[in-house]
Amino acid sequence: EAGVAQSPRYKIIEKRQSVAFWCNPISGHATLYWYQQILGQGPKLLIQFQNNGVVDDSQLPKDRFSAERLKGVDSTLKIQPAKLEDSAVYLCASSVRGQNTEAFFGQGTRLTVV
Amino acid sequence: AQSVTQLDSQVPVFEEAPVELRCNYSSSVSVYLFWYVQYPNQGLQLLLKYLSGSTLVESINGFEAEFNKSQTSFHLRKPSVHISDTAEYFCAVSKTGANNLFFGTGTRLTVIP
Repeated sequence: EAGVAQSPRYKIIEKRQSVAFWCNPISGHATLYWYQQILGQGPKLLIQFQNNGVVDDSQLPKDRFSAERLKGVDSTLKIQPAKLEDSAVYLCASSVRGQNTEAFFGQGTRLTVV
Repeated sequence: AQSVTQLDSQVPVFEEAPVELRCNYSSSVSVYLFWYVQYPNQGLQLLLKYLSGSTLVESINGFEAEFNKSQTSFHLRKPSVHISDTAEYFCAVSKTGANNLFFGTGTRLTVIP
């Protein structure tokens, strides 16, 4: 089966610009996650969707970050405006509905803010 | 809240030698425990997990981890490593009944020929 698809793989922007990342989860996976992985740190959950509803966005900096999953399938994560400290790898993952089911990760988008 | 500590950021080891990657967690509630592996230029992959039952869990490629509740640890071990095991390994926890993961900072395992 096809894995979690993310694009772009790399992005370089200047601070104060905006950027968007796209994620297509594994077909049939109801749960979708966005994680942020800063260099030298482990991934940190930004937002979790169940179908097109938000389950957890407590760690999402809502003044500049937004995410949507309008049709309950693919998702976009946006940063506007970007700051230097947003430089990180943004990982998308998906899992089937249910408790403690395995999350499958995409390869991530590496964002560099200069 | 949950947290995970991986004390070793880098572990070099010779091929065919044993290895242990340490993971300690902190939580006020029951947790499930996971090890994920990230090979160069690839996404995170689940290596093994502890949900319930036997405290010793194994992966298909020879790794094992033991859940020790009294020591709040979930160390990853392999008796003989291969070059192909070179990767970054992340320990993670989730609350029982929840799906979101809390990750440690990772341990980079380098197997030396």
